[in-house]
Amino acid sequence: GAVVSQHPSWVICKSGTSVKIECRSLDFQATTMFWYRQFPKQSLMLMATSNEGSKATYEQGVEKDKFLINHASLTLSTLTVTSAHPEDSSFYICSARTGGVNIQYFGAGTRLSVL
Amino acid sequence: GESVGLHLPTLSVQEGDNSIINCAYSNSASDYFIWYKQESGKGPQFIIDIRSNMDKRQGQRVTVLLNKTVKHLSLQIAATQPGDSAVYFCAENNGSNDYKLSFGAGTTVTVRA
Repeated sequence: GAVVSQHPSWVICKSGTSVKIECRSLDFQATTMFWYRQFPKQSLMLMATSNEGSKATYEQGVEKDKFLINHASLTLSTLTVTSAHPEDSSFYICSARTGGVNIQYFGAGTRLSVL
Repeated sequence: GESVGLHLPTLSVQEGDNSIINCAYSNSASDYFIWYKQESGKGPQFIIDIRSNMDKRQGQRVTVLLNKTVKHLSLQIAATQPGDSAVYFCAENNGSNDYKLSFGAGTTVTVRA
């Protein structure tokens, strides 16, 4: 149980285009989903917290207009990187938790490369 | 600022030996801790968790120890196997209701055959 699916696993795009990443909880209802960014050989940096049906809460320094988050259902959250630039190239990982449980279950991550 | 961090960034261990991975935290309000394992190119995988009202918890081949006095957390892996090679992160929840986790820097464990 507690499987989180993330798609796509790898995407290459041109500078200036937008990229959407999906995060799905397959066998549980995700009360909260989180989006992280990870640079090579570094730790996970929380970007935003997403609760179903409400606006995402962004961490300090994360541009909400740049990284659009939608959590339309209890099993799906999306992250859209708008007008991507090479500096947005990174490994993006989502996680999900269900009510009353602190454990976050992670997706496999999305490798974004912006040319 | 307050942070979760690790004592050593890398650990090399002989296959079959026990591994000990350490983590220091500075937020005395933290009441929940998790260890994750991350293999190259993948997302973190839950290993074991512990609440602040406990000082030890055991799982399959893993044990987490919590010393609140010195704000120290450790993960012990028994009979380390090649498949245990990965980056290990400790993470803490600071007792808030937002369920956010703060991650440490990570320790890279390499198992020698």
